[in-house]
Amino acid sequence: ETGVTQTPRHLVMGMTNKKSLKCEQHLGHNAMYWYKQSAKKPLELMFVYSLEERVENNSVPSRFSPECPNSSHLFLHLHTLQPEDSALYLCASSQDPQGDETQYFGPGTRLLVL
Amino acid sequence: GNSVTQMEGPVTLSEEAFLTINCTYTATGYPSLFWYVQYPGEGLQLLLKATKADDKGSNKGFEATYRKETTSFHLEKGSVQVSDSAVYFCALSGAKAAGNKLTFGGGTRVLVKP
Repeated sequence: ETGVTQTPRHLVMGMTNKKSLKCEQHLGHNAMYWYKQSAKKPLELMFVYSLEERVENNSVPSRFSPECPNSSHLFLHLHTLQPEDSALYLCASSQDPQGDETQYFGPGTRLLVL
Repeated sequence: GNSVTQMEGPVTLSEEAFLTINCTYTATGYPSLFWYVQYPGEGLQLLLKATKADDKGSNKGFEATYRKETTSFHLEKGSVQVSDSAVYFCALSGAKAAGNKLTFGGGTRVLVKP
């Protein structure tokens, strides 16, 4: 148990659906991250939030929309996804910007787009 | 830019064998270095870290030493168990800025057979 929870753990959705992934951290951190982990590909950083402001958006398609309402919660809103978006989506948090650089990960949401 | 290179797997070995996973990096400045482990069906967990040259990180029988002269952070364990079967990721931190960015290697899958 790392102090970072993600829901749901598994999600199956059609290409026309809208769904949201939720991440919550109980570590008192103020930076949060979304990563995509696909089979046989390196871990891809998608978004970075620091003090509830987005500070990084790594050319992620607009069908992925992040939201960070407070320092403990991070969402990833999904709409009109493609089958190639099927992957494990990992959330992480850290103390930022001058604290410990260690990132703590949640268990991930396994997403399948049909 | 920063980059991390680690040996590709899978690495298959018998229980009680010696494990080494090589990791080399390219970075500006003086990054912190990390090893994360991902067990099947789970997110990434911090295994160990080192924040400056010649530091040795250790945890659960694993060790890695920050070698600035060879830009390496090789992971070792003297006697592996079946429960060590997992994917291991080497990572380094970026410059301290809003949102601590980690650069990950591609991961090395380790399979330990009884």
